[in-house]
Order: sequence, then structure tokens, then C-alpha cells
Amino acid sequence: GQNIDQPTEMTATEGAIVQINCTYQTSGFNGLFWYQQHAGEAPTFLSYNVLDGLEEKGRFSSFLSRSKGYSYLLLKELQMKDSASYLCSPGDSSYKLIFGSGTRLLVRP
Amino acid sequence: KAGVTQTPRYLIKTRGQQVTLSCSPISGHRSVSWYQQTPGQGLQFLFEYFSETQRNKGNFPGRFSGRQFSNSRSEMNVSTLELGDSALYLCASRLGQGFDEQYFGPGTRLTVT
Repeated sequence: GQNIDQPTEMTATEGAIVQINCTYQTSGFNGLFWYQQHAGEAPTFLSYNVLDGLEEKGRFSSFLSRSKGYSYLLLKELQMKDSASYLCSPGDSSYKLIFGSGTRLLVRP
Repeated sequence: KAGVTQTPRYLIKTRGQQVTLSCSPISGHRSVSWYQQTPGQGLQFLFEYFSETQRNKGNFPGRFSGRQFSNSRSEMNVSTLELGDSALYLCASRLGQGFDEQYFGPGTRLTVT
């Protein structure tokens, strides 16, 4: 079957670092996307991993381990505007993106 | 370059009616995917169209259907609406060649009463 597991909610302080974990099971695998979605808005692309390792993009980094079916999104120097839902989305063998319910991150002053 | 557009943005329908939603992808994108988003279920994949052909399909009943036109614009139709169909319907486009980033439209908020 296909399954994605992420924490439902996380809270962090402005200026801190937070790591959002994601474990997944898919029928085949063709890379993993992370999306950010603010309340009432459409998801926007954050990062993409297709090989194992860390991809860094400014304050955001994403890590992938294909053998473990595991990824994480690291957010540094948190800002209030980072309060949003974060969606881990692996692609299966037919290039279909699978989404879980996402992790709702609340950044507090 | 214009982003993905969806019309209408908001819609209120009555149980038993049918509805058609429209999506215009980014110019040059040939793949359009549709998702249903509800607070309890997250983003659920409906179907994907590529070059006017349905390439992937999610686990939704046959009341949900779609199509894609030669200009890559896509429509999805829901017949015999049920209260549980109330959701945000998101369309996303991508180039479609291999595994590309998806760009989402703003969504259509459907309320069924």
C-alpha cells in the first residue's frame, strides 16, 4: 500500500531550528517533494530530493534516505511567516504524487 | 508567465446537483492533476491528465470525472453531489516529462448544502 506518516502538529520559537520528519511507503519511488501551504492558500514548492542526502536551499534543507523510506525538512532561523502546513509528498512508480495530511507548524514569538 | 488559474473560485451547490470546475495550466505544461482537500483527509489525488489522456487515477467513485482539451486546459465534473463533496479542489500543472515540480492553482472552494 501507499502511506505517509508525519507529525500532525509542531510548535517552535522564532529564530529556532525545527525538523519535520516524514516516513513513507509507496509503490515504487520517483523522488520526494516538500510543499508549504499557508491556511486558505494553495501549496507551494519548497524542495525536491531524488537521491539520498541533503539538499540545501537557503533557510530550508531537505534530507532523503530511500532505503529507510525517510525524509526530513529542516527549517532554520524560523520566522513568524513560516507558520504553515508542510506536506511531504513522494512520487510513486507512475509519477503520481502522494500527499499525507501534512504537519501544521506554529511559530511563536 | 501566468500561473495556474482555476474557475470559479467559490461555488455553492445543492445535494444531487452536478458541478464542473475548470483549470488552465501554465503555458507549455501538458500535465494537469486534480486533488480534493478536506480538513480531515488532507490532499487526496483524483486524477491526472497528460496530452488529453488520463494517466493516473485515484480512489474516488465514478461520480468524479475529468477531461483535458487539446490546449491542455482541464475540467473536472462531479455528478449527484453529496454533502461530503464539500472541499477545496486544487488543480496542479507540470511539464509532464518525467518527474517535474507541480504548480498549484488557487483552488475552487465547493460547498454542498
